[in-house]
Amino acid sequence: KQEVTQIPAALSVPEGENLVLNCSFTDSAIYNLQWFRQDPGKGLTSLLLIQSSQREQTSGRLNASLDKSSGRSTLYIAASQPGDSATYLCAVLMNRDDKIIFGKGTRLHILP
Amino acid sequence: SQTIHQWPATLVQPVGSPLSLECTVEGTSNPNLYWYRQAAGRGLQLLFYSVGIGQISSEVPQNLSASRPQDRQFILSSKKLLLSDSGFYLCAWSWEGEQYFGPGTRLTVT
Repeated sequence: KQEVTQIPAALSVPEGENLVLNCSFTDSAIYNLQWFRQDPGKGLTSLLLIQSSQREQTSGRLNASLDKSSGRSTLYIAASQPGDSATYLCAVLMNRDDKIIFGKGTRLHILP
Repeated sequence: SQTIHQWPATLVQPVGSPLSLECTVEGTSNPNLYWYRQAAGRGLQLLFYSVGIGQISSEVPQNLSASRPQDRQFILSSKKLLLSDSGFYLCAWSWEGEQYFGPGTRLTVT
C-alpha cells in the first residue's frame, strides 16, 4: 500500500531564504507526482507535475525534483516571499486512472 | 481552458437535514471526478471517485453518497447529516493523470 510522507509538518523561515520541502513515498512504481499549494479556506492549486520518466520540473521560483528509485521528491522554493506562506501538499498517482494519494502537507510560514 | 465549479461556497445545516453539493466541469469530456473532505486540521480524505457516468467508487463507508448523472456533473448527497460531516468539501477532476481542484464548499453541521 502506497504511503506518502511529508516532513516537516510545519516550517517557518525568514523572507528571502531558499528552502526545500520534502516528500517521500513507499512504492516507487508511480505514474506521476504532483505538488499542490493550499491557502487557508481555499481549494488546491496545482504547482508542478512530474511524470515518472522525468527528473525535475521548474516554474518560476519553484523547482521540483523526483528520484523514483529512492522514493523521494523535493520542492525547492528560491528567494521566499511572505506570499509563499501556505500549505504545500505532495501527491502520487500509481496509474493514470487511479486515485491520487496525498501526503498530509507542510505548513509553510515566511516571516517578513 | 478547463474550469471546475462548486456550489454553494458555504453551507450551514442542522443535524439530520439532507445535503446536496454540486460540482460541474467545463472544457473537457469524460474526466475522472473526485470528492474529498478535509476536516479541520486534518489531511485530505478521498470520499468518492468516478471514471464515467453512473460509475462511482466509494472509499469510506458513511452516510454520504455520490452520483454522476451527466459526464461533467458530480453530486455529493446525504439523507441525514451528522455533526461529524462538518468540513471542507473539495471536488476535483483529472485528465491524463493530472488533477485539478475546485474552490470547495465549507459545510458546518450544527
